[in-house]
Amino acid sequence: NAGVTQTPKFRILKIGQSMTLQCTQDMNHNYMYWYRQDPGMGLKLIYYSVGAGITDKGEVPNGYNVSRSTTEDFPLRLELAAPSQTSVYFCASRAGQGRRYTEAFFGQGTRLTVV
Amino acid sequence: DAKTTQPPSMDCAEGRAANLPCNHSTISGNEYVYWYRQIHSQGPQYIIHGLKNNETNEMASLIITEDRKSSTLILPHATLRDTAVYYCIAIGGSQGNLIFGKGTKLSVKP
Repeated sequence: NAGVTQTPKFRILKIGQSMTLQCTQDMNHNYMYWYRQDPGMGLKLIYYSVGAGITDKGEVPNGYNVSRSTTEDFPLRLELAAPSQTSVYFCASRAGQGRRYTEAFFGQGTRLTVV
Repeated sequence: DAKTTQPPSMDCAEGRAANLPCNHSTISGNEYVYWYRQIHSQGPQYIIHGLKNNETNEMASLIITEDRKSSTLILPHATLRDTAVYYCIAIGGSQGNLIFGKGTKLSVKP
């Protein structure tokens, strides 16, 4: 059971380039999330999804796009990368079981530098 | 979801209990208190959660005051590997999103 897998682990982008951060989970979880974490700060929610075909904005969505075509995958797209997007990106997932909140599982992160 | 307040940092001697406080004075009746921690630059890790009763698992204990306005996470015998940032989050219902504050940076010292 791999849990939440993120690729790549590290990436350097030039300003204006685009890329997709991959996230996949093998736990059949309905809910998936993308966070970014700047140095010395807490995590900020970028986008989330409550199931395949459904996505919504979080706290800091500008400059990013997401899609959720399958339960397993939740890729994060950066268009026109900017230095302000230099950060560590975490993907997370959790099961949705009725009215009860369930704990989230996090990937190991993607460290992105935009130069 | 209710706002939580935590001290920015705490120290603890190795082998002693670490008691991490969290204030959530605006918590509503259906909101749970969840604790996560982040070791170095890894992804956050779930520790424990509770509604109004005290809870214990293999990692920690959670003590929630009777009025539910505050809680304390207890690591009974802290080790150097417990050095991390600890986040207290109040979430209501199945739709709640994990919104992280700055947490408490716990340093366990030999």
